Amino acid sequence: DGGITQSPKYLFRKEGQNVTLSCEQNLNHDAMYWYRQDPGQGLRLIYYSQIVNDFQKGDIAEGYSVSREKKESFPLTVTSAQKNPTAFYLCASSIDLGAGNYGYTFGSGTRLTVV
Amino acid sequence: GQQVMQIPQYQHVQEGEDFTTYCNSSTTLSNIQWYKQRPGGHPVFLIQLVKSGEVKKQKRLTFQFGEAKKNSSLHITATQTTDVGTYFCLHSSNTGKLIFGQGTTLQVKP
Repeated sequence: DGGITQSPKYLFRKEGQNVTLSCEQNLNHDAMYWYRQDPGQGLRLIYYSQIVNDFQKGDIAEGYSVSREKKESFPLTVTSAQKNPTAFYLCASSIDLGAGNYGYTFGSGTRLTVV
Repeated sequence: GQQVMQIPQYQHVQEGEDFTTYCNSSTTLSNIQWYKQRPGGHPVFLIQLVKSGEVKKQKRLTFQFGEAKKNSSLHITATQTTDVGTYFCLHSSNTGKLIFGQGTTLQVKP
């Protein structure tokens, strides 16, 4: 079945460490996204990519980095510069930026906790 | 910048009662999408509305897009415990900018 896979499901990070969250899709979608979800604040866009080797900053990109070397993969690195990284991270993909009648497909998320 | 306001933030209903959540924008929206997120889960796409005054139904769910394309609603008739979750609206632009409503969390008491 086609879908989008995030790993790991839970991740614990020590202060000062960089961690990388994986996101893989086999839907042949061009566009991929990373969101952060905090309680009571809804979803906020971190980065998005319309095509391989290209990506754009979202609303809260500071302290994060991404790469898009393959169409299927869009890993997110949470760097030590991110002041408050504890959150639920969601990866999503869509056929293109407009998403159309198919909407966005979300992964099951990674819950990152700083210890 | 462009914002979509969603109300209410929380709603507790008795099973069998109806439920409605509303999204409002100060500017015209080219489209509005609706998603459901179960507790501990990830958002799942429900529907997209693009036409002025559009009404779409999915079983007990009715989605509406206002005539001025500035507001939208999701109505659930005769709620069931399986309807529990957070419902949120989203406006998608073709530049990649997504504007989310804050979400409405629905609790259903059996």
